[in-house]
Amino acid sequence: AQSVSQHNHHVILSEAASLELGCNYSYGGTVNLFWYVQYPGQHLQLLLKYFSGDPLVKGIKGFEAEFIKSKFSFNLRKPSVQWSDTAEYFCAVKRGNYGGSQGNLIFGKGTKLSVKP
Amino acid sequence: EPEVTQTPSHQVTQMGQEVILRCVPISNHLYFYWYRQILGQKVEFLVSFYNNEISEKSEIFDDQFSVERPDGSNFTLKIRSTKLEDSAMYFCASRSSGGALETQYFGPGTRLLVL
Repeated sequence: AQSVSQHNHHVILSEAASLELGCNYSYGGTVNLFWYVQYPGQHLQLLLKYFSGDPLVKGIKGFEAEFIKSKFSFNLRKPSVQWSDTAEYFCAVKRGNYGGSQGNLIFGKGTKLSVKP
Repeated sequence: EPEVTQTPSHQVTQMGQEVILRCVPISNHLYFYWYRQILGQKVEFLVSFYNNEISEKSEIFDDQFSVERPDGSNFTLKIRSTKLEDSAMYFCASRSSGGALETQYFGPGTRLLVL
């Protein structure tokens, strides 16, 4: 069965520190990859997504992620975090171009990011 | 920007009772989903719905669960006889008809507590 692993449960950083959140998935075929963010009290919002092409994907709010197919990874990065980045971050995978699939997402457990001002 | 909305935001119920969770997807979207997240665990897919019928469901979505789009705007999840282990945050999502690669937009969730 497909699964998505997020290595860190809780990450605590000071403002201006660099961020990298790990995500690995276990599916050998074509995949589409997503990072969602959930700010406190708010709904899940899409940060960025990868479907094909350039494996380095840029998203909103200065986030980027790199798809490394050989490592089955899609790590999220930001060079300098802000207090407002405090949130929970979810990696998700969808099998790509799957005939008949309606696109349900498989999520990782999430990583809580706390940024100290 | 259009949003997916869900009501209620919180629901407390007794074990064995029926609950209906409501969602209003984004108006021109055609694909609808329910996910749930048990506290401390990952977000799990429950069911997808298109053209007034279920298109996919997970093993979690057993006979106690049903979905409906009763009036062209609401999309509901019913749990017939709730169990303690149904306590979770339930998220509705929708996407447009642009293909399975289109972004899913999530609602804020309903926190269900079964006592």
